[in-house]
This record gives sequence, C-alpha cells and structure tokens, in this order.
Amino acid sequence: QVQLQESGPGLVKPSETLSLTCTVSGGSISSYYWSWIRQPPGKGLEWIGYIYYSGSTNYNPSLKSRVTISVDTSKNQFSLKLSSVTAADTAVYYCARGLFFPAYYMDVWGKGTTVTVSS
Amino acid sequence: SYVLTQPPSVSVAPGQTARITCGGNNIGSKSVHWYQQKPGQAPVLVVYDDSDRPSGIPERFSGSNSGNTATLTISRVEAGDEADYYCQVWDSSSDHQKVVFGGGTKLTVL
Repeated sequence: QVQLQESGPGLVKPSETLSLTCTVSGGSISSYYWSWIRQPPGKGLEWIGYIYYSGSTNYNPSLKSRVTISVDTSKNQFSLKLSSVTAADTAVYYCARGLFFPAYYMDVWGKGTTVTVSS
Repeated sequence: SYVLTQPPSVSVAPGQTARITCGGNNIGSKSVHWYQQKPGQAPVLVVYDDSDRPSGIPERFSGSNSGNTATLTISRVEAGDEADYYCQVWDSSSDHQKVVFGGGTKLTVL
C-alpha cells in the first residue's frame, strides 16, 4: 500500500524559500502525477501544482511565479520550493498521488506538515 | 477561472440522508471528485469520476452530477461521518489547466 510522508522545516522566515520533500513508500513514483496542496489554518484546500514522474510540471497560475516542483525517481521523492514567502503562506502542506481517470484527482495523500512563516 | 460553490454547512440526524451540493457552470460536463476531511487529518477520497467509490469506502457514499450541480449523498449517516467535504474538478476550459476545489462543506451530525 502506497504511503506518502512530507518532511521539511516547520518554520520559515519571511522572504525566504520554503522547501519540502515528499517520500513515496510501498510503490513506485513512476506513472503518476504527484501534487502539492496546502490548507491555511481554518480554510479550504488550495492546489499548488503537480509533477509527472518524467519531470513535466503544471502549476497553479496564482503561485506559478514562486513555485518549483521537482522529482528524484532514484529516491522515490518529489519536492516543493516556494520562494519569497509571507505570512499568507502559513499552512498545512500535503503531498498526494494523482492520476487522470478520466480527469485529474488525488487518491493517496500524505498526513501533511505544518509550515509557519514568521520571523 | 472555474468556480465551485458549496454550502458552508449541512446538518443531519443520525440514520438520515445527507446531501452536499457542489455548483458550477455546466459542471455536468466535468468529472467531479469528493474528499472527506476529519479534524486534524488529511483529506480522503470518497467518490471519484462523479459516482465511483475507491475500495474501502462504504456504499453509503454515492455521487451524482448533472446540469450545474453535483451532489454527494451519504445514506444512513453515522456520527463518524461528521467532517468537512470538498468537491474537486479538473478545469481544462481556460488557457491554463488546473485543479479547482470547492470551498468545503462542514457536515454536522446532530
């Protein structure tokens, strides 16, 4: 059974870059689209973007200028970088496995990791 | 961009049927997915492609989609169904294709 685990700093200073990694266990990272989603405290879900195992990406236009998602198939990991963070980027960040069948959805999620942006 | 509208809250007594709607322009032409999120936990997929259930999801959870409204129906509601529910579509109608979530509906079991 595939499991996902987010990891990374829980505290990031304003204007710096948030970096998170998602480790996939129990299955291969191949043949799926791997997403990052976030949820500010008390609010709804916001999709950040996805990466295909081959490396092609698709980002939410609202965050595109600050987001980079990369994949390391040898480690079964994919990563998120969000630059120039502000307090508005404080959220629980989830990674998830996605597929197009026929339209994109996410069937396996990590437990999430809380990131706070504060000096 | 494409907008999904959900009621903020729905209340139902145990054993009754809960219906959570998700409105969008001609949403019936799209594939709608639903997630359940309990407090402090990650979302869980409960319905995909309008009406299909992942393995392990009870048959009490069902979905439908037509016109401008998609609906998640939970039959014989239990206390353990109390959670936030989010609908989601893939918006391929604009220049930039992306995932769109509804604002979420809090289901309260009375």
